[in-house]
This record gives sequence, structure tokens and C-alpha cells, in this order.
Amino acid sequence: GAGVSQSPSNKVTEKGKDVELRCDPISGHTALYWYRQSLGQGLEFLIYFQGNSAPDKSGLPSDRFSAERTGGSVSTLTIQRTQQEDSAVYLCASSPQTSGYEQYFGPGTRLTVT
Amino acid sequence: DQQVKQNSPSLSVQEGRISILNCDYTNSMFDYFLWYKKYPAEGPTFLISISSIKDKNEDGRFTVFLNKSAKHLSLHIVPSQPGDSAVYFCAASPEIIFGKGTRLHILP
Repeated sequence: GAGVSQSPSNKVTEKGKDVELRCDPISGHTALYWYRQSLGQGLEFLIYFQGNSAPDKSGLPSDRFSAERTGGSVSTLTIQRTQQEDSAVYLCASSPQTSGYEQYFGPGTRLTVT
Repeated sequence: DQQVKQNSPSLSVQEGRISILNCDYTNSMFDYFLWYKKYPAEGPTFLISISSIKDKNEDGRFTVFLNKSAKHLSLHIVPSQPGDSAVYFCAASPEIIFGKGTRLHILP
């Protein structure tokens, strides 16, 4: 079956521009997570969606970051006025259950801000 | 303040020997622990997990040990194989917090 997909796989943007990153989770998975991995760092939690509940935005690093999940499926992570420190691999994961169960990760989007 | 710590950024092990990857945590409310493996340019893949009510879980060459009193878990891979070379992340639930990872390099 299809796994988690993310697009684009690579994105190069100029400082100050807005970017949108897309995640298609595994069908039927109720939980969706966004992480980022900066060079030499671990996985930094950004935001978590669970069903129709209000998302957990506690990991978003600034108000330039926002995310939506439409219809309980596809999610879009938007970064406004990108900065060079936003350069990282952005990973999306979905899970069939709430926390305590394994997550299935997409391949990530490598964002480079020049 | 890191709640999940992997203090060894890298580890080299001879092929055929045992690889031991360590993870420490600070929050006693964590009730489930997971290990993920990540190859370059790919997303992490789930490897093995353990509930806090257990102290050991085994799956083929992979065994995870949990010492709750020490707030420590470890992943044992035996025998180590070249395909095991990857970055290994420890994660803890319910908040799903990841460690920074340990890069395992299996030497021929």
C-alpha cells in the first residue's frame, strides 16, 4: 500500500519568500505529525494533528510557521518570510493511533533558503 | 532541556559483533519507547518498541532493554550487518519526543 508522501522533495527558495510543503498521510491514519531535522540535529517536533481535535502547535518555532490539515487527510506546512535558519529537512509522519504507536514517515522535503 | 538523550553521536562496530545503542530519558511519565532507523535521504522507519510495563522486547536481531529505575533504554543488534549502518533515533511517548540520534557504522 501507499506510504506517506511529501512534496516537493527539494525546495530552494530565496530569503523572505513564503513556501508550502505538502504531506499526504497513509489513508485512514488519524494522527499526523510534522518534524524538522536541521543539519546535525535530531528530529524537532513542530505540530501534531489528531482527528478533529485542535492541533498541538507547541513545537512551532515562530509565528511564521503554520499548518493545516484539510478533511482530516492532506496537510500543508507553510513557512512565511523564510529565513536561512529555516533550512532543514521537513518530515511528515502519520499514525493510526494516538501516541504510543509507531509513526510512518514520509521521505521528507529538503528546504534550502538562500 | 532534552527529555530524551542519546549521548553518543556515533558508534563504529565490527561486522558480526554486537551493537549497543543507548538512550536516557528524564520524564518518568513516558510510557512507551520506540527506536527508529534512518538512512540518508529517507524518512525514519520504525524498528522496535517497548512498553514501560516490560523490561525487554526482542524481534529477530534487535532487542530493546528498558531500565525504568535508571530511566535508560538500549537497543542491541546482534550480529551487526553492513545494512545496519544508519542513524538510530530513540523516541518516547506519549509526547513523541526524539533523541538526536546515533550514527551507527558497521565496519567490514
